[in-house]
Amino acid sequence: AQSVTQLDSQVPVFEEAPVELRCNYSSSVSVYLFWYVQYPNQGLQLLLKYLSGSTLVKGINGFEAEFNKSQTSFHLRKPSVHISDTAEYFCAVSGYAGGTSYGKLTFGQGTILTVHP
Amino acid sequence: GAGVSQSPRYKVTKRGQDVALRCDPISGHVSLYWYRQALGQGPEFLTYFNYEAQQDKSGLPNDRFSAERPEGSISTLTIQRTEQRDSAMYRCASSSQTGTMFPYEQYFGPGTRLTVT
Repeated sequence: AQSVTQLDSQVPVFEEAPVELRCNYSSSVSVYLFWYVQYPNQGLQLLLKYLSGSTLVKGINGFEAEFNKSQTSFHLRKPSVHISDTAEYFCAVSGYAGGTSYGKLTFGQGTILTVHP
Repeated sequence: GAGVSQSPRYKVTKRGQDVALRCDPISGHVSLYWYRQALGQGPEFLTYFNYEAQQDKSGLPNDRFSAERPEGSISTLTIQRTEQRDSAMYRCASSSQTGTMFPYEQYFGPGTRLTVT
């Protein structure tokens, strides 16, 4: 079984400032890691994912995240945010074993990022 | 091309009534997932289909909930004898492949907001 904890429910930040949204997970098996963004009245959209290889992954809209296995973390960062980044962000994991995954996602509680002018 | 669509977008029903929520996945996507998202929470897995076969229904909360995907395309999530605690956003997602080493991206629909009065 897996669980995901997003440490901040709300993060206010000024435009052009850097931001970090924190995510920690626990799992009894290996995991793949994801960040999704949800704009009002829209479906969730994949920002980025870690499957294997380099622990620093880059996604859309200038976001990046770093997988830290020893700390079981996958924090999301952006060096300079825009007003349009205001949304809710979800960290998610998908466990796999035996060499296959069918993609069932376990989500955190979400972090609302509000960018102020 | 068209994304995942869900209908209705909003549903208000009285306690004790049955409701059916529809999901139309991206054409050609073999995997289909249902999630439920309570207010202020992340999505929670309900069930998963690979083509028409329901491979995992471990997330369905009780036997009032059922889902089907008879022709491997459109899926219906049915809730019988609705209760107020069933009020939530119900989200559907589809992906093009499953059972591989790496999970394929899940594309989410806009959701159905269910309110039980």
